[in-house]
Amino acid sequence: QEKVQQSPESLIVPEGAMVSLNCSFSDSASQSIWWYQQHPGKGPKALISIFSNGNKKEGRLTVYLNRASLHVSLHIKDSQPSDSAVYLCAVSTYGSSGNKLIFGIGTLLSVKP
Amino acid sequence: GGIITQTPKFLIGQEGQKLTLKCQQNFNHDTMYWYRQDSGKGLRLIYYSITENDLQKGDLSEGYDASREKKSSFSLTVTSAQKNEMAVFLCASSPGGEAEQFFGPGTRLTVL
Repeated sequence: QEKVQQSPESLIVPEGAMVSLNCSFSDSASQSIWWYQQHPGKGPKALISIFSNGNKKEGRLTVYLNRASLHVSLHIKDSQPSDSAVYLCAVSTYGSSGNKLIFGIGTLLSVKP
Repeated sequence: GGIITQTPKFLIGQEGQKLTLKCQQNFNHDTMYWYRQDSGKGLRLIYYSITENDLQKGDLSEGYDASREKKSSFSLTVTSAQKNEMAVFLCASSPGGEAEQFFGPGTRLTVL
């Protein structure tokens, strides 16, 4: 059974800071890794995904995946108060019965103006 | 674009009661999901459906039933509500494969 662990549990940063969020997973055969953002009272929203080792950049977001160490990280450049939310790491397991996501418990980010 | 609608937004029931949560999507997506989100435990998959009339159990299916009578809707029934399953229930849909899952706003369940 895939396990997904995230760190830190919570993080407070000043506006404009670089934010780094970590996620480790247990199954090297897992497929895509997703990062979701969840604001209070809302459903999660997908931010970025990665499949291959290395990094992927989209706007202020960069994600790094290292399958050998079973680790993925999300970096948010020039953080804004509107980035304050819970960030969920999710590992995709795709097979004959469809695709499932296994989620971590999340990191609560607070960006102070 | 599309939208996922979950009803009701808040659901209050008595312990032992059978309760039904509903989800509608207008993305025309094949796959739909039900998750439960408990504070401090992340999202856990209850049931999913890869096409109309298909049902697949997730890790948390005990105590729940699901129904996918048509492509656009997916309902979840709590067969006998318990106080320890007060949580937010999230519905999601996806085109299939490893594509992004789109989530609804959730139904918050309270059991008295």
